[in-house]
Amino acid sequence: AQSVAQPEDQVNVAEGNPLTVKCTYSVSGNPYLFWYVQYPNRGLQFLLKYITGDNLVKGSYGFEAEFNKSQTSFHLKKPSALVSDSALYFCAVRDTGFQKLVFGTGTRLLVSP
Amino acid sequence: GAVVSQHPSWVICKSGTSVKIECRSLDFQATTMFWYRQFPKQSLMLMATSNEGSKATYEQGVEKDKFLINHASLTLSTLTVTSAHPEDSSFYICSARKGQLSYEQYFGPGTRLTVT
Repeated sequence: AQSVAQPEDQVNVAEGNPLTVKCTYSVSGNPYLFWYVQYPNRGLQFLLKYITGDNLVKGSYGFEAEFNKSQTSFHLKKPSALVSDSALYFCAVRDTGFQKLVFGTGTRLLVSP
Repeated sequence: GAVVSQHPSWVICKSGTSVKIECRSLDFQATTMFWYRQFPKQSLMLMATSNEGSKATYEQGVEKDKFLINHASLTLSTLTVTSAHPEDSSFYICSARKGQLSYEQYFGPGTRLTVT
């Protein structure tokens, strides 16, 4: 069965510094990988996805993610963090044979001024 | 765009009553909708997948008689929590997919249910 792991419950970074939120996956076949962000008491907002093609995927709000097949990772990155980036981030995977998304446990990002 | 709405955004009900949550795709037709449940500080747990015009597919451990899902049109799915109990209190989120070949799900803003 497909799964994703987000090893960090929380990531703290100072505003203006680069940020990385980690995600590793396990799936049979080609992975379809996603990052979503959730603000308090809100649904999830789509940030970016990897289906195929370039390993570096650019998404919304200046975020990008790097797909690394050998390390089975899909880390979310941003060159310069903003306080407004503080939120809960979810990595998700969808196997090609299934409709549903499987989410990681989430990583809370806290950007300090 | 692809906007999904949920109604109500929050609801308080008494134990033993039923409550209905609506999920609508506002600017696209959703052949498939998903219902998730999220406990505080936890990830989303898929409850069921519903395809328009057919019965929902429930995940293991989810009581289909308690969580009734109806997907009667391409823009509306409803989740009814029957005979609600305090342990049903949670944040319920729906998502919608545009087509069978679509990779993306568009999420609603969520509904906070509190059962007293």
